[in-house]
Amino acid sequence: QSALTQPASVSGSPGQSITISCTGTSSDVGSYNLVSWYQQHPGKAPKLMIYEVNKRPSGVSNRFSGSKSGNTASLTISGLQAEDEADYYCCSYAGSSTSVVFGGGTKLTVL
Amino acid sequence: QVQLVESGGGLVKPGGSLRLSCAASGFTFNDYYMSWIRQAPGKGLEWVSYISSSSSYTNYADSVKGRFTISRDNAKNSLYLQMNSLRAEDTAVYYCARGQYSSSWFDYWGQGTLVTVSS
Repeated sequence: QSALTQPASVSGSPGQSITISCTGTSSDVGSYNLVSWYQQHPGKAPKLMIYEVNKRPSGVSNRFSGSKSGNTASLTISGLQAEDEADYYCCSYAGSSTSVVFGGGTKLTVL
Repeated sequence: QVQLVESGGGLVKPGGSLRLSCAASGFTFNDYYMSWIRQAPGKGLEWVSYISSSSSYTNYADSVKGRFTISRDNAKNSLYLQMNSLRAEDTAVYYCARGQYSSSWFDYWGQGTLVTVSS
């Protein structure tokens, strides 16, 4: 049950766009369109931002988008805002025995 | 609105046991898979276990298999995690989360309960 690989940190200025990558394997990200992304502010519970690769839950800004190519999924945040500063985690279904695996998390800093 | 409220965390000695609870409201509890997900201090998220809507199916991370048991009481809208033979590395905030697509992703999370395993 290896974790998915995410960059430890990314940064951007207000108004810019950033992309966070999430690299898995052919057993998880590459095999299922069941990648999700979560935002977590310090001391708070994670919040679902993207599910099934590129779908946004009701109430999540359309500045957040997701995509996938092969074994790598990506989360893009456009028009960065100060409130976007948080930790972001990707997650993928990995089959019936493993269930799901998470990425190690990426700290987004808005400069 | 959907609410998940965990309880039961605390300080326990290595080798000890603890039972976590999660009270659900605002949705039809027995329609959903539920999961426990944990986060060690300063670390990332780790899926721990899931249980199907009717308790027919359960699954566990290798790190807790044989020591933790997930259960639910649909009449009480409650989810549980019995944790035995606790180790220092089980120290974490434990979240309950509502699963979608058989717990392939999680749309609502509780606020978490802290479990500390230390002598």
